[in-house]
Amino acid sequence: QQQVKQSPQSLIVQKGGISIINCAYENTAFDYFPWYQQFPGKGPALLIAIRPDVSEKKEGRFTISFNKSAKQFSLHIMDSQPGDSATYFCAARGNDYKLSFGAGTTVTVRA
Amino acid sequence: ETGVTQSPTHLIKTRGQQVTLRCSSQSGHNTVSWYQQALGQGPQFIFQYYREEENGRGNFPPRFSGLQFPNYSSELNVNALELDDSALYLCASTLAGGGYGYTFGSGTRLTVV
Repeated sequence: QQQVKQSPQSLIVQKGGISIINCAYENTAFDYFPWYQQFPGKGPALLIAIRPDVSEKKEGRFTISFNKSAKQFSLHIMDSQPGDSATYFCAARGNDYKLSFGAGTTVTVRA
Repeated sequence: ETGVTQSPTHLIKTRGQQVTLRCSSQSGHNTVSWYQQALGQGPQFIFQYYREEENGRGNFPPRFSGLQFPNYSSELNVNALELDDSALYLCASTLAGGGYGYTFGSGTRLTVV
């Protein structure tokens, strides 16, 4: 049973464009929502994270939007670059320290 | 500040064998978690260790077991390997009570033949 649903499975964006990845969850006990970036052969690296008391968080070209009432959150990658080509995972965590991951989105940025 | 290191990086085992994977947590971190990532999927939580005791477990059978040592390093042991155990095994560390940031290692790629 997947606790975090992620879409789309993959996307292609032109250099300079915006990539948008969406996630939804059911467990209202989740209180921490990170996004991870993973390159082939590497482990996931934390990109940006948000708590449910904040509706938006921006770090450089990466922005998380959070809708607590809809139990949805999304990652926006602005001015996408070829180096952003990777697999992105949303995740959620409650007070048990366990991270529940989405299935991942493979982003390809075309030069 | 050192990150999370895992060994070995790659491993090939035969069905029915046993395997031990190792992880050194990031300096200052006292909690270690293990995740299994099948090809093309998100990581799945196996279990977590804090103060040398398991304090959380995912939906994995008892043949998956672990240890945490006083220096916070950890081992994942898998007995009676099955073909479906082929995956990337990730170790992550964090500081309990110190925030929610997790640092992942690069993983061990296990292939069961």
